[in-house]
Amino acid sequence: DGGITQSPKYLFRKEGQNVTLSCEQNLNHDAMYWYRQDPGQGLRLIYYSQIVNDFQKGDIAEGYSVSREKKESFPLTVTSAQKNPTAFYLCASSSSGTVSETQYFGPGTRLLVL
Amino acid sequence: RKEVEQDPGPFNVPEGATVAFNCTYSNSASQSFFWYRQDCRKEPKLLMSVYSSGNEDGRFTAQLNRASQYISLLIRDSKLSDSATYLCVVNEGVDSNYQLIWGAGTKLIIKP
Repeated sequence: DGGITQSPKYLFRKEGQNVTLSCEQNLNHDAMYWYRQDPGQGLRLIYYSQIVNDFQKGDIAEGYSVSREKKESFPLTVTSAQKNPTAFYLCASSSSGTVSETQYFGPGTRLLVL
Repeated sequence: RKEVEQDPGPFNVPEGATVAFNCTYSNSASQSFFWYRQDCRKEPKLLMSVYSSGNEDGRFTAQLNRASQYISLLIRDSKLSDSATYLCVVNEGVDSNYQLIWGAGTKLIIKP
């Protein structure tokens, strides 16, 4: 089955700790995205990548970092600099990132701060 | 940053009824529009794109009103399985998908 997988489903972070969220896709898509969803708000773009070894900041990149060493993988690290990390994190991909393309989402990771 | 606004609801609708909700956007240069469906604690999934001429997919009809800057979604003969949050998405970009603006969603509850 083609699709996007995210792990873990739930993640707990202690104060001052960095954590990494995994996102893998086997759709052969070039473009990948990370979003954050908070209650009562729309999705907000954290980072996106159009091609391997290249990525760009989205609207709320502060306190986050990403890498794109392989086409199928786009991990997100939530650093200790992100002061309010509790949220639902969604990874998505699209064929090439051009306008009007459908984005396909993974099942998401819920991050909670202890 | 331009805005996309939706009535958060919830819209409580009896099964079999017709329900419609709108989404307003502030950037008149917006290029493309979508409706996504999100079930509770799940990821969003594309419901339909919204074309200038309007489009229909079974019980669902989407319309775009550029003059008044809103898109609408109409659901006919509503089913219990239609209960979800409906997200409006507006693409402000010309070339890429990196300028998607997401509404906060309208919650729909279909009652038996």
